Amino acid sequence: GDSVTQMEGPVTLSEEAFLTINCTYTATGYPSLFWYVQYPGEGLQLLLKATKADDKGSNKGFEATYRKETTSFHLEKGSVQVSDSAVYFCALSNQAGTALIFGKGTTLSVSS
Amino acid sequence: GAVVSQHPSRVICKSGTSVKIECRSLDFQATTMFWYRQFPKQSLMLMATSNEGSKATYEQGVEKDKFLINHASLTLSTLTVTSAHPEDSSFYICSARDIRGGSSYNEQFFGPGTRLTVL
Repeated sequence: GDSVTQMEGPVTLSEEAFLTINCTYTATGYPSLFWYVQYPGEGLQLLLKATKADDKGSNKGFEATYRKETTSFHLEKGSVQVSDSAVYFCALSNQAGTALIFGKGTTLSVSS
Repeated sequence: GAVVSQHPSRVICKSGTSVKIECRSLDFQATTMFWYRQFPKQSLMLMATSNEGSKATYEQGVEKDKFLINHASLTLSTLTVTSAHPEDSSFYICSARDIRGGSSYNEQFFGPGTRLTVL
């Protein structure tokens, strides 16, 4: 079945460092791909998305490119801030109306 | 933007009692809502798909008689944990999909979650 694999955390960075969180997926067809962020004690917020190969999703300085050839959707940010500390989930949807399939999440901790 | 609320945000109950969690889409209608469960430091696991006006579809391993789901209107789905036990303690999150659709992607809007603690 469809699945999402994320790099193991936690990821600990200093402020202004470069961030990469790897995400690869297994799916039939052409899924839509998402990154969600969960701040402590809160629900999930959509960070960015991409619906087809080579699409680049971006938001709040974060970017991820849908790479079908490598089945990847890695999350990047050039300069992280303390406020970016959260858990990041990669997810896919392979059919309209169905639930999302999530990766295990990667905890990011940014220190000043 | 689309907003989904959950109530209560936190609940503590005694073992053997039942707890109802509400999920509401505040500014859109949702024929489909999803209920997830999240264990500490783990991912979200889909429990069931809630369809307005029909029975919920449960994932394998989820007891439908224990986790009762009702989706009585286009803006409200409820999850009732019956005869709760300590192992039911978890973070429950709902999501909803806008009925209008029309998008090329399948975006869902998530509630803030409900922290259930069973003593």
